[in-house]
Amino acid sequence: AQSVTQLDSQVPVFEEAPVELRCNYSSSVSVYLFWYVQYPNQGLQLLLKYLSGSTLVKGINGFEAEFNKSQTSFHLRKPSVHISDTAEYFCAVSGGNDYKLSFGAGTTVTVRA
Amino acid sequence: DTEVTQTPKHLVMGMTNKKSLKCEQHMGHRAMYWYKQKAKKPPELMFVYSYEKLSINESVPSRFSPECPNSSLLNLHLHALQPEDSALYLCASSQTGDTQYFGPGTRLTVL
Repeated sequence: AQSVTQLDSQVPVFEEAPVELRCNYSSSVSVYLFWYVQYPNQGLQLLLKYLSGSTLVKGINGFEAEFNKSQTSFHLRKPSVHISDTAEYFCAVSGGNDYKLSFGAGTTVTVRA
Repeated sequence: DTEVTQTPKHLVMGMTNKKSLKCEQHMGHRAMYWYKQKAKKPPELMFVYSYEKLSINESVPSRFSPECPNSSLLNLHLHALQPEDSALYLCASSQTGDTQYFGPGTRLTVL
């Protein structure tokens, strides 16, 4: 079984400042890792994913994440945030083709002018 | 195209009503999912269909009844719901068991 811990429940940040959202996972097998964003009153949108290959993954909207197997982490970063990045961010892990996606509790990012 | 559509967007129903939620994808994905999401919480898996067969039921109460008429459609039939069933219901699909793509959700209110 897999599990995910998002280390920050809320992250306030000023516009144009960098942001990092921390995610740690535990798993006994090889994993696939995901970051999703949920804007108010909307569904989940895939930001980026790590399935294999390069440990630095680039996603949409200027986000990137680095898979670190030794630290079992998959932290999400953006060098300069916009007001429109205000949303809930979920880190998720799956063990492959078992159809089960384990979500973290979520991190609320609030971007202020 | 990674679009999953869901109808209706909003639904209000009484505890004695019968209603259905609909989900559609045209990406050729072979797995489809129903999730329930309460406010400020991550989605919780309810059901998984793989190749149009129910493969996972996460001990969901029988007042929720899923149906997969074909590989592109997924329904969730609702009957005799309780107020605590009010939530955002999300549909997702995936080609295999890895990357899931979510729809916009149906906001359900049970009076």
